[in-house]
Amino acid sequence: ILNVEQSPQSLHVQEGDSTNFTCSFPSSNFYALHWYRWETAKSPEALFVMTLNGDEKKKGRISATLNTKEGYSYLYIKGSQPEDSATYLCAGSNSGYALNFGKGTSLLVTP
Amino acid sequence: NAGVTQTPKFRILKIGQSMTLQCAQDMNHNYMYWYRQDPGMGLKLIYYSVGAGITDKGEVPNGYNVSRSTTEDFPLRLELAAPSQTSVYFCASSGLGLAGGGELFFGEGSRLTVL
Repeated sequence: ILNVEQSPQSLHVQEGDSTNFTCSFPSSNFYALHWYRWETAKSPEALFVMTLNGDEKKKGRISATLNTKEGYSYLYIKGSQPEDSATYLCAGSNSGYALNFGKGTSLLVTP
Repeated sequence: NAGVTQTPKFRILKIGQSMTLQCAQDMNHNYMYWYRQDPGMGLKLIYYSVGAGITDKGEVPNGYNVSRSTTEDFPLRLELAAPSQTSVYFCASSGLGLAGGGELFFGEGSRLTVL
């Protein structure tokens, strides 16, 4: 079981602010690192899947980086909007089969 | 586009009752998963399957059983319901193994209460 830690637990920012979250995990036997966005009353939806050290992915105003040697990933949101309010989940795999999730970072963006 | 379908969406059980949570996907995915979500906790993996006829335990398998007789279906069985099994259950599927960059597609969840 891969122990995935996320910080901060929650975050409240103003519209237009940029923000970032951290996901940390043991760097041994690493296979993949996922980021999911989970809106209230919906199901988690994949944002990024990264497998290689140094991977950088971008989708609109959201981007993510991966450092497998030191065991961390960052998720960045540029110019936060109220519709970005959600819980952001990080998940990792050290088996290639099972994905273990962190507790998530809850983001609230107010106008 | 159905994706991953879970039934029922809500269920109340009495202690000791049994039930099956159904999960079906129409994307021809080999990999399927069952997670539970408890307040303040991350999604915990109960069981997973890498293909029809192959299942394996996840982090919290006690009190549950699964089967995978077809590619499409991955039911989760609770034999003797206990209050500790009150949770929201999510089924997910993936077309690629995690090492191959496969993302998970989630169902809408099933909220189970055991009284």
